[in-house]
Amino acid sequence: DQQVKQNSPSLSVQEGRISILNCDYTNSMFDYFLWYKKYPAEGPTFLISISSIKDKNEDGRFTVFLNKSAKHLSLHIVPSQPGDSAVYFCAASSPSGGYQKVTFGTGTKLQVIP
Amino acid sequence: EPEVTQTPSHQVTQMGQEVILRCVPISNHLYFYWYRQILGQKVEFLVSFYNNEISEKSEIFDDQFSVERPDGSNFTLKIRSTKLEDSAMYFCASEDVTSGFLREQFFGPGTRLTVL
Repeated sequence: DQQVKQNSPSLSVQEGRISILNCDYTNSMFDYFLWYKKYPAEGPTFLISISSIKDKNEDGRFTVFLNKSAKHLSLHIVPSQPGDSAVYFCAASSPSGGYQKVTFGTGTKLQVIP
Repeated sequence: EPEVTQTPSHQVTQMGQEVILRCVPISNHLYFYWYRQILGQKVEFLVSFYNNEISEKSEIFDDQFSVERPDGSNFTLKIRSTKLEDSAMYFCASEDVTSGFLREQFFGPGTRLTVL
């Protein structure tokens, strides 16, 4: 039961260009969406999030867009840098009485080519 | 900067043995979680823990699994009788309940469990 889907397992982008990572979800109860970045041998690191009441959130080079009607979100990284090379996980959570049960996608491996 | 720590980094065990994975969450955090990632697969939620009790657990978290916060700092995951399919990376995470809108979970570096 893949409630959060990342259909592209990998993506290669030239340094300086835009990286666009996509994510689809099926559970309309999700109200909060997150992107995590993961380097090998490390735990996921929070990158950026967006509440379902918004359609865009920007933090420096990172912007997350949410299209609720399409149940789709995307992460834009511009300009892409070699240090951005990592696995990016889309994640979603629903109201759960305070705590978060986060459902992760399968991840997209981003390679930024110098 | 405060961080979540996990020990050991790698645990090798024989099938049927008990293992305890340890985590030290960030000190002022109040929500604690365990996730696992089987090699090549997605990160999966196992259990959430708040106020010394389980808030929610997934179908993966069966009777062989238990969690405990034995003191003010450690948060442990016990697998009573390990199976081959328990081999995975296990991540601990913690969250500051006062983080408000941000709701960021901080993850530890993980423990790689190998069941032989």
